[in-house]
Amino acid sequence: KNEVEQSPQNLTAQEGEFITINCSYSVGISALHWLQQHPGGGIVSLFMLSSGKKKHGRLIATINIQEKHSSLHITASHPRDSAVYICAVVRETSGSRLTFGEGTQLTVNP
Amino acid sequence: ETGVTQTPRHLVMGMTNKKSLKCEQHLGHNAMYWYKQSAKKPLELMFVYNFKEQTENNSVPSRFSPECPNSSHLFLHLHTLQPEDSALYLCASSQTSSYNEQFFGPGTRLTVL
Repeated sequence: KNEVEQSPQNLTAQEGEFITINCSYSVGISALHWLQQHPGGGIVSLFMLSSGKKKHGRLIATINIQEKHSSLHITASHPRDSAVYICAVVRETSGSRLTFGEGTQLTVNP
Repeated sequence: ETGVTQTPRHLVMGMTNKKSLKCEQHLGHNAMYWYKQSAKKPLELMFVYNFKEQTENNSVPSRFSPECPNSSHLFLHLHTLQPEDSALYLCASSQTSSYNEQFFGPGTRLTVL
């Protein structure tokens, strides 16, 4: 079993829908990252958070440290949001070493 | 523009070839990383360099040989690879290797025939 589990693995939505991607982890962490990977491979960091909630444009990330769970929400989804979204955690004892989830493939149809 | 560049973007090589992947960061960072991303698997950390010194080798086979001549450049030398080494190889950098946001390059898609 992976230390970082994401759900769903694949998600298809219609343009405009509200989207939620979940991440659960089983280790103690100092931070959690949400990353976006577009076709072609490049990865962009969306959020790094250790508590509470962060918002950037249409993206919202939340984390519950006690429940070892984080969610990434996309409001008013758009086809350009289609990408793989990856959750990664920084273990308490690992410096900045990241442990990654398998990713969620999101497809937003027009 | 990510500030981290990788060349080549695509590479096809035979099992007896020797090739090198290059990564360069223009962000003034001091830590650089190599990751491997195989199909349907999470990213795997391969190597970490902090201030040009290797601080992590995640049990990577010796057919992968990293080199970090300065804080801005990172190489991955490849020799006698196997077909299962075919993957996307991603480079990243961060301010230092202790708890900082990492910035990723676009990756090199490697195919080993």
